[in-house]
Amino acid sequence: DIQMTQSPSTLSASVGDRVTITCRASQSVTGWLAWYQHKPGTAPKLLIYKTSTLESGVPSRFSGSGSGTDFTLTVTSLQPDDFATYYCQQYDSSSSFGQGTKVEIK
Amino acid sequence: QVQLVQSGAEVKKPGSSVRVSCKASGGTFNTYSITWVRQAPGEGLEWMGGIVPMFGSTTYQQRFQGRLTITADKSTTTAHMQLSSLTSEDTAVYYCATSGAFYLGQLDYWGQGTLVTVSS
Repeated sequence: DIQMTQSPSTLSASVGDRVTITCRASQSVTGWLAWYQHKPGTAPKLLIYKTSTLESGVPSRFSGSGSGTDFTLTVTSLQPDDFATYYCQQYDSSSSFGQGTKVEIK
Repeated sequence: QVQLVQSGAEVKKPGSSVRVSCKASGGTFNTYSITWVRQAPGEGLEWMGGIVPMFGSTTYQQRFQGRLTITADKSTTTAHMQLSSLTSEDTAVYYCATSGAFYLGQLDYWGQGTLVTVSS
């Protein structure tokens, strides 16, 4: 099974900050990598798929990059609605999620 | 636009089984996959497995092999997830989700989640 490791586990930031979350796979996932935003009591929301393709309706301040085993989610100017937990997911070989990164208010 | 509506909360005894349903509408059920994901209290998302009704094929996470069964009923456009030999560690919110396509990929559409509580 492919293991996904996110860093950091928790991130403290302010509105307007640029935020970067990284995701590392235990083996290459050939670009089949997605990012989700999850808030308590709601279903996760797809933000980005295939490494860098923005899901319809997702603000352009979210972007994804990477290849092989190393991937990044960037939020260029953090907004109040962005405080949540973020997960990466590989779907190259079966599928698996990272352990999550909680973005909290500084 | 695919919509997924899940069955209601369940309380189960250790050692028993639970079956959660996921009713799909929109799109053509036979053409898209259904994946099951869970989140235990205080934990992250865990990918459990999925089914591609078009091919009748299933894929399960290794740790659930032998006690997880995912099925799809095309006549009712409903997918089911059955988990057996329950323990307290199976207490979680269970989600069905789909990519809207025939492969098990990114998850564009999600059900509302079903809380399963395992307690004696």
